[in-house]
Amino acid sequence: EAQVTQNPRYLITVTGKKLTVTCSQNMNHEYMSWYRQDPGLGLRQIYYSMNVEVTDKGDVPEGYKVSRKEKRNFPLILESPSPNQTSLYFCASSPRSSSGNTIYFGEGSWLTVV
Amino acid sequence: QKEVEQDPGPLSVPEGAIVSLNCTYSNSAFQYFMWYRQYSRKGPELLMYTYSSGNKEDGRFTAQVDKSSKYISLFIRDSQPSDSATYLCANSGTYKYIFGTGTRLKVLA
Repeated sequence: EAQVTQNPRYLITVTGKKLTVTCSQNMNHEYMSWYRQDPGLGLRQIYYSMNVEVTDKGDVPEGYKVSRKEKRNFPLILESPSPNQTSLYFCASSPRSSSGNTIYFGEGSWLTVV
Repeated sequence: QKEVEQDPGPLSVPEGAIVSLNCTYSNSAFQYFMWYRQYSRKGPELLMYTYSSGNKEDGRFTAQVDKSSKYISLFIRDSQPSDSATYLCANSGTYKYIFGTGTRLKVLA
């Protein structure tokens, strides 16, 4: 089954404790991205990757890091989480980086930073 | 001004009604338009995708784009309780996707 898998799905952590949210896709997609979804603000892009070892900032990259060492994986790293990073996070992938291709979203990761 | 604006709702309609969901966008350079449906506690899934102005139909769903007024619409005919979800419009350019905040729809049986 074609899918984007995120882990963990739910996490409560404390301020400053580094965490990684993993993302894996089994569709051999080139393009992957991370979004956060907040009430009243909608989905906002954090980082995206056009291919292995190629990443770039989205609209809200502050406080986040990413890496793309393999085509299927695109982890999101919060080096020192803060309460304003409490949010619902989605990983997504697409077959090509050009505009208009279908984005496939993961199920989401609920993160609470206390 | 947000790049994609969407009324958050909630919008409640009786089963069988025709639903109209609307968005406006500001970036003319972004030429692709999409509607996503998001059920509670799930990731968004693509409903409709269009590039040009005009209408695109898929079953009970019709997407409409008016580039002259920068207006995007989604029509749902014969709405069903299973259509109850949040609907997100999106506008995309190279590597970037801009989403509206979503309209919450509830179809009452």
